[in-house]
Amino acid sequence: EAAVTQSPRNKVAVTGGKVTLSCNQTNNHNNMYWYRQDTGHGLRLIHYSYGAGSTEKGDIPDGYKASRPSQENFSLILELATPSQTSVYFCASGDVNWGAETLYFGSGTRLTVL
Amino acid sequence: AQSVTQPDARVTVSEGASLQLRCKYSYFGTPYLFWYVQYPRQGLQLLLKYYPGDPVVQGVNGFEAEFSKSNSSFHLRKASVHWSDWAVYFCAVSIRNMGYKLTFGTGTSLLVDP
Repeated sequence: EAAVTQSPRNKVAVTGGKVTLSCNQTNNHNNMYWYRQDTGHGLRLIHYSYGAGSTEKGDIPDGYKASRPSQENFSLILELATPSQTSVYFCASGDVNWGAETLYFGSGTRLTVL
Repeated sequence: AQSVTQPDARVTVSEGASLQLRCKYSYFGTPYLFWYVQYPRQGLQLLLKYYPGDPVVQGVNGFEAEFSKSNSSFHLRKASVHWSDWAVYFCAVSIRNMGYKLTFGTGTSLLVDP
């Protein structure tokens, strides 16, 4: 069974602090993604990666960095967390088939920045 | 750039009734289209996907969707709703020459009356 695991499941951080969200996949997919989910916005793409060592900016990258040290791991880093980054964050890996990609999502990390 | 509109933020149906969730996309060509479902406190899971070809696509759990190029739509349907279908449903579009990245709609919350 393909799996994407996120940690932590919940996180409370203080404004100005550093936060790292971790994601591990056992699917052996090249592509990985970080989204945030907010009411009224759906899912918005923050960063993505096409493989180990690569990161690309998504639609809303400001205030976030990403790291892909290996095929399995993809981290999202908030160097200076702000209350506007309070959200639910989802990691996904992607399987490309017949010209389209199916995403497999983790269960999410609920981040609260006070 | 491509976009997806889900005009109904919330839909309520009675158990056993039929269901249609609406999705409109904006793109000049023929996109790849997807419906994902998010059950409470979980990540998103793929329901079905459309590749250029047969306009009616069958998915899991009795769901189907119909692509209409003339209406720029990809509506989701189910003949008889079950209480376990209570979830949030997301329509998404990807364009092959945009690197497969998915653009999601804002989601429709489905509530099922017993």
